[in-house]
Amino acid sequence: NAGVTQTPKFQVLKTGQSMTLQCAQDMNHNSMYWYRQDPGMGLRLIYYSASEGTTDKGEVPNGYNVSRLNKREFSLRLESAAPSQTSVYFCASSELAGTLGDEQFFGPGTRLTVL
Amino acid sequence: AQTVTQSQPEMSVQEAETVTLSCTYDTSESDYYLFWYKQPPSRQMILVIRQEAYKQQNATENRFSVNFQKAAKSFSLKISDSQLGDAAMYFCAYRSGGGSQGNLIFGKGTKLSVKP
Repeated sequence: NAGVTQTPKFQVLKTGQSMTLQCAQDMNHNSMYWYRQDPGMGLRLIYYSASEGTTDKGEVPNGYNVSRLNKREFSLRLESAAPSQTSVYFCASSELAGTLGDEQFFGPGTRLTVL
Repeated sequence: AQTVTQSQPEMSVQEAETVTLSCTYDTSESDYYLFWYKQPPSRQMILVIRQEAYKQQNATENRFSVNFQKAAKSFSLKISDSQLGDAAMYFCAYRSGGGSQGNLIFGKGTKLSVKP
């Protein structure tokens, strides 16, 4: 049982390049999330998917797109990377958003640098 | 909108001593959940403890306990018998109890150092 996995662990991009961050969970969770963590800040929500087939914007969605490929996988795409997107990205999942005791499980993070 | 404030950017504690990390939050909701997450240098976010707002009893998990003051909107974390492995960033987080959105709202974190 691997929990939440993210690929890649590290990535360096040039301004304007595109890339997709992959996330997968093997806990049969319905809800998945993408957060970013900047120095001196807590995690901030980019996008989330309450259930398979649905996605919604979070606090900082600009410059990103997401795809809930199936129940297991939730990808985050940067179409044209900018230096302001340099950050550590975390994927998380939970059984069912909004329910009592809903605990989020986090992946190990992806450190992205945009030059 | 809900906000979470951690007023102590850094804290230090001697091994085996007790330390308390502060967290305050702002919300107009009556139903919500509060969490403390630990982030060691490995970056992995680990749930330490959680509290349901409707429960008056403070949550405890082994050496970790909270002091939840709902009227004051305060949610502090007490670590007893501190160990070297407790050194990490600690984040306080809020989650609304209603609706289908289950995302967490985080504070900026407190960096805890443990001195041997």
